[in-house]
Amino acid sequence: DAGVIQSPRHEVTEMGQEVTLRCKPISGHNSLFWYRQTMMRGLELLIYFNNNVPIDDSGMPEDRFSAKMPNASFSTLKIQPSEPRDSAVYFCASSPRDFSYEQYFGPGTRLTVT
Amino acid sequence: RKEVEQDPGPFNVPEGATVAFNCTYSNSASQSFFWYRQDCRKEPKLLMSVYSSGNEDGRFTAQLNRASQYISLLIRDSKLSDSATYLCVVNMIRGQEGLTFGKGTHLIIQP
Repeated sequence: DAGVIQSPRHEVTEMGQEVTLRCKPISGHNSLFWYRQTMMRGLELLIYFNNNVPIDDSGMPEDRFSAKMPNASFSTLKIQPSEPRDSAVYFCASSPRDFSYEQYFGPGTRLTVT
Repeated sequence: RKEVEQDPGPFNVPEGATVAFNCTYSNSASQSFFWYRQDCRKEPKLLMSVYSSGNEDGRFTAQLNRASQYISLLIRDSKLSDSATYLCVVNMIRGQEGLTFGKGTHLIIQP
C-alpha cells in the first residue's frame, strides 16, 4: 500500500517566491497534519485537518503560510512570499481515525530558501 | 519551560548494552504519550505508546510517571539497528489530535 506521498521532495527557491508543497494522505485516513522540522526548533505542528476541515492552525507561523484540503486525498501548504527562515523539512502525516495518535508521516519536503 | 524536554545526547552505547532515557513534559493535563523513532534524514515513525501501567514490546519498555511528569524508554540488548533519534511525544490538549514532539535523543549503538 502506498504511504503518505509528498511532493516535491526537494525545493530550492529564492526569497520572495511562492512555494507550494503537496500531500496525498493514505486512502481512508481522515486526519491530516502538516509539521515543520528544524534543528533549532525540532518538529512543530503547523495545522491539522479532520475530514478536510481545518481544526487547529495555531501553529501556522504567520499570514505568509496557508493550507488547504479541498478533498480527502489532497492537501497543500503554501508560503507566499518565502523567506530564508522558512528553510526546513516539511512533513505531512495522516491518521486513520479520530484520536488514534498513530500518525503516518510522508518522506518530507526539504525546502531551502536562499 | 519547554513543553517536552529531552536530553539531546548523543548516547554512545556498545552493542548488547541496556540504555534508558527520559523525557519530561510541562502540561500536567496531558492525556496521551508516545515514543517515535526517526532515522537520519527520514520521517518519524511510531515506536510505541506509553501507558500508565507501563508497557513492553520486545526489547523496548516504556513507562509513565504522571506525578513527576516524565516518560522513560528502556532498550535492552541494544542492536546496531537501534541507532536513531528517539522522539518523546505528548498529546497536550484534550479533544484535539495535535501532538507535541520533543527534539529527540540521539542514540548511537557501537559495534
